[in-house]
Amino acid sequence: EAQVTQNPRYLITVTGKKLTVTCSQNMNHEYMSWYRQDPGLGLRQIYYSMNVEVTDKGDVPEGYKVSRKEKRNFPLILESPSPNQTSLYFCASSSTSEGEQFFGPGTRLTVL
Amino acid sequence: GENVEQHPSTLSVQEGDSAVIKCTYSDSASNYFPWYKQELGKRPQLIIDIRSNVGEKKDQRIAVTLNKTAKHFSLHITETQPEDSAVYFCAASIGTGGFKTIFGAGTRLFVKA
Repeated sequence: EAQVTQNPRYLITVTGKKLTVTCSQNMNHEYMSWYRQDPGLGLRQIYYSMNVEVTDKGDVPEGYKVSRKEKRNFPLILESPSPNQTSLYFCASSSTSEGEQFFGPGTRLTVL
Repeated sequence: GENVEQHPSTLSVQEGDSAVIKCTYSDSASNYFPWYKQELGKRPQLIIDIRSNVGEKKDQRIAVTLNKTAKHFSLHITETQPEDSAVYFCAASIGTGGFKTIFGAGTRLFVKA
C-alpha cells in the first residue's frame, strides 16, 4: 500500500531534550516536506527536500533541522525543543514539484 | 514575504446549498494551486487542483476557478452534503523549480442537514 508514515504519532517531552520525528514514504517520491499545523494558522512549511542531499527552508525553519540521506526518509530534528514548538506536525511527499502532496498521519508534539 | 489569504474562516450552509471559498496569493510566479480537505482528526487530502494555464476546472460537485491577473482563486462546492463538513485549505506554489508551498489559514465548513 502506497503511504507516508510518521513516528511517533504522539510525543510529550520537556524543553531542551533533543528529539527526532521520522518520516518515510514507499512511493519513490523525490519531493518531501515537513509542515506544522496550528489553530488559525493553517499549514506552515518548515523544510522541504527535492532529492537526496537537497533540502531548503520553508516559511518557519527556525529551531528545526532536517536531513535527506535516503530517498524514502526525511527526518525532522528538534535539537533543543521549546514550548512554542508544541504543534501538530505533518510530513508529505510528492512525485513532482507542483503536484499532489500525500500527507502522513501526523505527529502531535507537546513540549513542556 | 509571500502569503496566501483565505476567506471566510468559517462557513455554515444548509444541505443542498452551494459553498464558495476564496483565496488570494501574492507571488506572481505561482503556477500551481491545490485545494486540500481535512476531516476532523485526519490528514489533509487533495480534492482538486488547477494550474496557471487553466481558468477553471470541475470534478463532479467541486470546481475551482483561477484569475491570474487578480491573483484570486476560488473553490465552489455545489449541492453540499453533510460529509462535505471539514476544513478546507487552499495553497499556492512559490517560485519555480522548488517545492515551496504556502497554505491559506483554512476554512471550516459546516453543512447542516
